[in-house]
Amino acid sequence: EDKVVQSPLSLVVHEGDTVTLNCSYEVTNFRSLLWYKQEKKAPTFLFMLTSSGIEKKSGRLSSILDKKELSSILNITATQTGDSAIYLCAVPSNTGNQFYFGTGTSLTVIP
Amino acid sequence: GAVVSQHPSRVICKSGTSVKIECRSLDFQATTMFWYRQFPKKSLMLMATSNEGSKATYEQGVEKDKFLINHASLTLSTLTVTSAHPEDSSFYICSARGLGNQETQYFGPGTRLLVL
Repeated sequence: EDKVVQSPLSLVVHEGDTVTLNCSYEVTNFRSLLWYKQEKKAPTFLFMLTSSGIEKKSGRLSSILDKKELSSILNITATQTGDSAIYLCAVPSNTGNQFYFGTGTSLTVIP
Repeated sequence: GAVVSQHPSRVICKSGTSVKIECRSLDFQATTMFWYRQFPKKSLMLMATSNEGSKATYEQGVEKDKFLINHASLTLSTLTVTSAHPEDSSFYICSARGLGNQETQYFGPGTRLLVL
């Protein structure tokens, strides 16, 4: 059964800390893995990963895919209170007709 | 764990027809359900938020008469795309938030709509 699992479910850190969020997946004919940040409303797109070992970076956020381990990590360095959100990982099905989402990691950054 | 299903997973229809998409929470009661639309390689766009037994709250720019949302029970919400046009072709995703758990949304697998 295709699925996506994220860990931890929730995380509380202090400003300036570095966090690593995990996403593991089981899907037939893997195509890509997407990370989203969700604050109050719609999740916003962060990264799409298709190739193993190639880091994608945007400011303090970075992500990398490991196809051997069927997983991805999202790193946030020097966290700020504005990073508080739910981070979602999603993997399209092999046909692209469905998205399998993890339940998300709720990150809270304390000043 | 909490499971949300959507039906159908894929639908092709002719322009001008209406299409109904169902979103069900299978093992929990969903006080709030969200409907999203996703364009290729882009982020999800929240269309509307529906609370059981009350009218849906639509996001700015979303036509409520075109995208009819009904949340008649704690386990079922429906999105009806009325008089569908090719530009309505997209990937529609619902999510559900359960009683007593305001942190987590559980997403359905999505419905691919193609309007010819």
